[in-house]
Amino acid sequence: AQTVTQSQPEMSVQEAETVTLSCTYDTSENNYYLFWYKQPPSRQMILVIRQEAYKQQNATENRFSVNFQKAAKSFSLKISDSQLGDTAMYFCAFQNSGGYQKVTFGTGTKLQVIP
Amino acid sequence: EAGVTQSPTHLIKTRGQQATLRCSPISGHTSVYWYQQALGLGLQFLLWYDEGEERNRGNFPPRFSGRQFPNYSSELNVNALELEDSALYLCASSLGISRPQHFGDGTRLSIL
Repeated sequence: AQTVTQSQPEMSVQEAETVTLSCTYDTSENNYYLFWYKQPPSRQMILVIRQEAYKQQNATENRFSVNFQKAAKSFSLKISDSQLGDTAMYFCAFQNSGGYQKVTFGTGTKLQVIP
Repeated sequence: EAGVTQSPTHLIKTRGQQATLRCSPISGHTSVYWYQQALGLGLQFLLWYDEGEERNRGNFPPRFSGRQFPNYSSELNVNALELEDSALYLCASSLGISRPQHFGDGTRLSIL
């Protein structure tokens, strides 16, 4: 069974600064997908970034980038130039590439961007 | 493009009753997923439907069930409601296997 661990329940960052959210996972599979989702107080889950395990290049989406370390089973999210709208719960998620389609989520990190 | 829509927004029930939650996926998406987000427990996978069939199920009792209709919309039914069923129930849809899931706003189920 896959597990996803987010060891930082809460974090805060000053506006315009950079923050890194950590995520580790455990799996015996070689091919899989990793995601970061954002859930603002409005509660809708929004996909932030996606990484395919077979790709060595780290995914980036504007101010969001990941540091994917496959051997260490680590998948951290870096948010650059933090904005007030980045305040949200951030969930790391794992999805196997086979036909089972179960997505395993971490417990989340609550990020507060301080003006 | 319309996103994933869920109804109702909030549902209040009492113990022992039955609840039905509805989800309409993004147009063209054939896979629908249900998750339970209870306070302090993160998201727990409930069910996955694709092309009208239940494809996978999380560790929930049989009183959690659902179905997917020919138009790919889905219902989640929870029978014999218990207090611990109080949670936010999120529905997501995707284009297919291993494609990113897009979430709705959820249904807040409160059991009194």
